[in-house]
Amino acid sequence: SQQGEEDPQALSIQEGENATMNCSYKTSINNLQWYRQNSGRGLVHLILIRSNEREKHSGRLRVTLDTSKKSSSLLITASRAADTASYFCATYHRDDKIIFGKGTRLHILP
Amino acid sequence: DADVTQTPRNRITKTGKRIMLECSQTKGHDRMYWYRQDPGLGLRLIYYSFDVKDINKGEISDGYSVSRQAQAKFSLSLESAIPNQTALYFCATSDLYSGGPNTGELFFGEGSRLTVL
Repeated sequence: SQQGEEDPQALSIQEGENATMNCSYKTSINNLQWYRQNSGRGLVHLILIRSNEREKHSGRLRVTLDTSKKSSSLLITASRAADTASYFCATYHRDDKIIFGKGTRLHILP
Repeated sequence: DADVTQTPRNRITKTGKRIMLECSQTKGHDRMYWYRQDPGLGLRLIYYSFDVKDINKGEISDGYSVSRQAQAKFSLSLESAIPNQTALYFCATSDLYSGGPNTGELFFGEGSRLTVL
């Protein structure tokens, strides 16, 4: 299976704190993407990082990619209640499959 | 109107019935995907298609078939539904050749919740 793993499976933090979640994958990729899902709704794309990039920023999001370790991290700074959701990494593989991990459930406490 | 539309949104059926889930898109994308989501397992790829003549199996294609009727339409069929196919099914599209910074980004429909009794 090419499916990767997110870590942790669940995370609860206070509003205003930073949230970090990690993703590991197994085989070579073209790019890695992070998505958010609110309560059984469709997934929404957050950010994409290519295999030749090491770090990318978008607003309060920071993504890193370490292809030697086959891992990525997503940092959400200054968390808000609206950030409560499930977060998934997805890896775009050289056989053109896009494979999702199992997700991290993030809960922002007031 | 949504860019990626799935029908039906909810369906309850019985074991052995044939079910079709339909997906249509107005984004003009070449690539379309079907995923299923189960609690704790994330999304798993069932089939994906690059155009009407190019259909590929994903991670878990057994028990499913697909049809790409047109660039904008991609249907998923369960020929004889079984209870462990109860799941939330998502269709997604992608335009690999846009050349923009997010080339390869997936756009999702709202999902079709299928219950097989």
